[in-house]
Amino acid sequence: ETGVTQTPRHLVMGMTNKKSLKCEQHLGHNAMYWYKQSAKKPLELMFVYSLEERVENNSVPSRFSPECPNSSHLFLHLHTLQPEDSALYLCASSQDYAANQPQHFGDGTRLSIL
Amino acid sequence: GESVGLHLPTLSVQEGDNSIINCAYSNSASDYFIWYKQESGKGPQFIIDIRSNMDKRQGQRVTVLLNKTVKHLSLQIAATQPGDSAVYFCAENMGQAGTALIFGKGTTLSVSS
Repeated sequence: ETGVTQTPRHLVMGMTNKKSLKCEQHLGHNAMYWYKQSAKKPLELMFVYSLEERVENNSVPSRFSPECPNSSHLFLHLHTLQPEDSALYLCASSQDYAANQPQHFGDGTRLSIL
Repeated sequence: GESVGLHLPTLSVQEGDNSIINCAYSNSASDYFIWYKQESGKGPQFIIDIRSNMDKRQGQRVTVLLNKTVKHLSLQIAATQPGDSAVYFCAENMGQAGTALIFGKGTTLSVSS
């Protein structure tokens, strides 16, 4: 148990569907992250929230929309996705958005776009 | 190109052997380094970290070595067990608040009995 819980674990959706990924952390951390993990590639940072404010958006297409209603919860809203968006989406948290701190990851949502 | 990389995509060892997984980084300003382990179907799990003011740090059965001269990081696993089979990757950070971790691609460690 890492203290970071992601739901659902698996999601299959069509390109016209709208769905949301959920992340909850029980660690009392102030920073939360969304990453995309594709086969044979390094983790790609998508979004960073610090104290519920978005502080980083790494040129992510607008079909991905994050939401951080409080410091414990993070959502990733999905709309009109493309087949190349199929990947493992990982949520992480750290005490602060600061240097010299490890990030703690959930087990991810495996997303498949039909 | 990526800032952090690993020398070998795969490593196969026998149970009981010591394993060494390597990582090269290109940014001399990097100040903080982490090793993660990712098992199949799970998220990355923090193993050990090291700051640039150290050249060695030990944990339980693991040791991380940092050579800033050649910008090289390694993870040593003693008495490797089948449960150590996973993908291992390193990450670096430039040591400033508000800067993100940069991850390498990973080395798949396979341990045979």
